[in-house]
Amino acid sequence: EIVLTQSPATLSLSPGERATLSCRASQSVSSYLAWYQQKPGQAPRLLIYDASNRATGIPARFSGSGSGTDFTLTISSLEPEDFAVYYCQQRSNGLTFGGGTKVGIK
Amino acid sequence: QLQLQESGPGLVKPSETLSLSLTCTVSGGSISSGSYYWGWIRQPPGKGLEWIGSIYYSGSTYYNPSLKSRVTISVDTSKNQFSLKLSSVTAADTAVYYCARLGWYFDYWGQGTLVTVSS
Repeated sequence: EIVLTQSPATLSLSPGERATLSCRASQSVSSYLAWYQQKPGQAPRLLIYDASNRATGIPARFSGSGSGTDFTLTISSLEPEDFAVYYCQQRSNGLTFGGGTKVGIK
Repeated sequence: QLQLQESGPGLVKPSETLSLSLTCTVSGGSISSGSYYWGWIRQPPGKGLEWIGSIYYSGSTYYNPSLKSRVTISVDTSKNQFSLKLSSVTAADTAVYYCARLGWYFDYWGQGTLVTVSS
């Protein structure tokens, strides 16, 4: 099973700041990685697919990069609605999710 | 607009003979349209996401190896539904259960339903 490790577990930032979230895979997943956003009481929402492609309707402040085992989700300037938990997920071998990074308000 | 809705009991007794059973009803699109699998994901309270398994409209399935021995996913194309059955449930199976559409990734999700396993 491919294990995805997300860091940091918690990120405390202010609106307008840049957020950088990391996802590391236990073995190469090529570019077969997605990022999701989840707010309390809601289902996850697909943000980024295949490492760097924004899903439909996702603002340009969200960007993804990486390949192989190291991936990054960047939020260029945090909006109030961006404070949430973010998960990465791979589809290279089975389907697994990372443990999540909570982006909280500082 | 595609919509998915989970339904089923909110409380299940722990048992080696009883199963947790949920159904996902798809509206605004056909489950038989092809190109997509349909999946189940769960999330224990305060914890992360775990993929349970997925099914194609033809009935082809694939499961999380860690749950495979206890999971059955089926599809009813006439009702535009797919279902989850999880056997030998314990308190560790308490979670919000989501159904979702799986293209290459999960792009449409149900709102989720909390299932509590408790006597």
